[in-house]
This record gives sequence, C-alpha cells and structure tokens, in this order.
Amino acid sequence: AQSVTQLGSHVSVSEGALVLLRCNYSSSVPPYLFWYVQYPNQGLQLLLKYTTGATLVKGINGFEAEFKKSETSFHLTKPSAHMSDAAEYFCAVKNQAGTALIFGKGTTLSVSS
Amino acid sequence: EAGVVQSPRYKIIEKKQPVAFWCNPISGHNTLYWYRQNLGQGPELLIRYENEEAVDDSQLPKDRFSAERLKGVDSTLKIQPAELGDSAVYLCASSLLAGGRETQYFGPGTRLLVL
Repeated sequence: AQSVTQLGSHVSVSEGALVLLRCNYSSSVPPYLFWYVQYPNQGLQLLLKYTTGATLVKGINGFEAEFKKSETSFHLTKPSAHMSDAAEYFCAVKNQAGTALIFGKGTTLSVSS
Repeated sequence: EAGVVQSPRYKIIEKKQPVAFWCNPISGHNTLYWYRQNLGQGPELLIRYENEEAVDDSQLPKDRFSAERLKGVDSTLKIQPAELGDSAVYLCASSLLAGGRETQYFGPGTRLLVL
C-alpha cells in the first residue's frame, strides 16, 4: 500500500536560509509524487510533481525536489526562504491505481526575519 | 481560466442538522474528487467521480454522507445528520482525467464546524 511520511511537523528558518522539507514514501509500484502548498484558509496549490524522467524536478516559487528511489525520498528544497513561503506543505503519492492522492500529515514552515 | 469553485466557504451548524457543500470543477475536467481534511492532517479521499458516475466511494460514510454529480459537472456533498466529528475542511478537486500523471486542482474548501 502507498503511504507518505513527512518528517517534522514544524520547520522554522530565517529569511534567506535554505528550506528543506522531508518526505519519504512507500509504494508498491513506481510512484507518482507531488508537493502541494496550503496557505491559511485556502485550498492546496501544486508546487511540483514527479512522474517519470528527470529526478530533479523544478516547481513554482523557486522550489525543487529530488526523487531518490534508493532512499524512497522526495525532499523539497528552496535555496533562500522568503517570508511569503510561510505555509503548510503536503507531500503526496498517488494510490496504486493512480486515481487518488495519499497525503502526508503536512509540515508547517515558519519564516522569521 | 477559473479554478475550482466551492461554496459556502464556512459553515457552522448544530449537531444533528443537515449540511450541504457545492463544488464547480474546472471547465472540461471529467474527474471530480471530494476530500476531507481533519485538523492537523492531510486530506483524505471521500469519493471520486468520473463524469456523473461515482467510481470510488469506498471511504464515504454512507450512513450519513451522500453525494451527487448531476450532468457530470457540479457536485454536491451532503451530511445528514451532522456529528461533532464531522468538523473538518471539505475540499473539492478536479482533474482532466483520472490517472497517475494527472494533476488534481483543489478548490479553497468549505470549513465546517459542528457544535
């Protein structure tokens, strides 16, 4: 069965610092992986996704993630945090049939000046 | 292009009362999803529609929840009667097709509080 584990429910960084949000997955089939961001009182917005091909995926707002099959990881990074990056971030994997998303519990990112 | 539209955005009701949520997906998207997001958790699928057919409702508590998608466009999710544990955010999403590579686009959600 597919599952996602996000390590760290809360990450705090200073403005300009590196952002690293960790995601490990379990999948019985080649995974399709997604990162979504949720701002307060809003829906989920797609940051990036991995389906096949290049393992380093670039997304919106300067975020990128690297698919590492050997480590079953799909960590999200951004070289320099901005105050506007403060939000909740969800990693997700498609279920075995590819028809629904299975989400992690989310990581809240705080950015201080 | 308009995104997924949901209404109402917020709803407060007494327990045992009925409540309904409405969703209008992105134009042309055949697949529609309803997810429930409990506080501090990621969303969990309740039901998936392909056109007007509910093809996966295995996680929908059918004793009190119902859903419909008339004409394969708009959808309504209903709870009757509501319980305290139903307090959550109900998210609607749509995608062009169902499939591993397909991106699901989410609406802003309906935040339900049951008192």
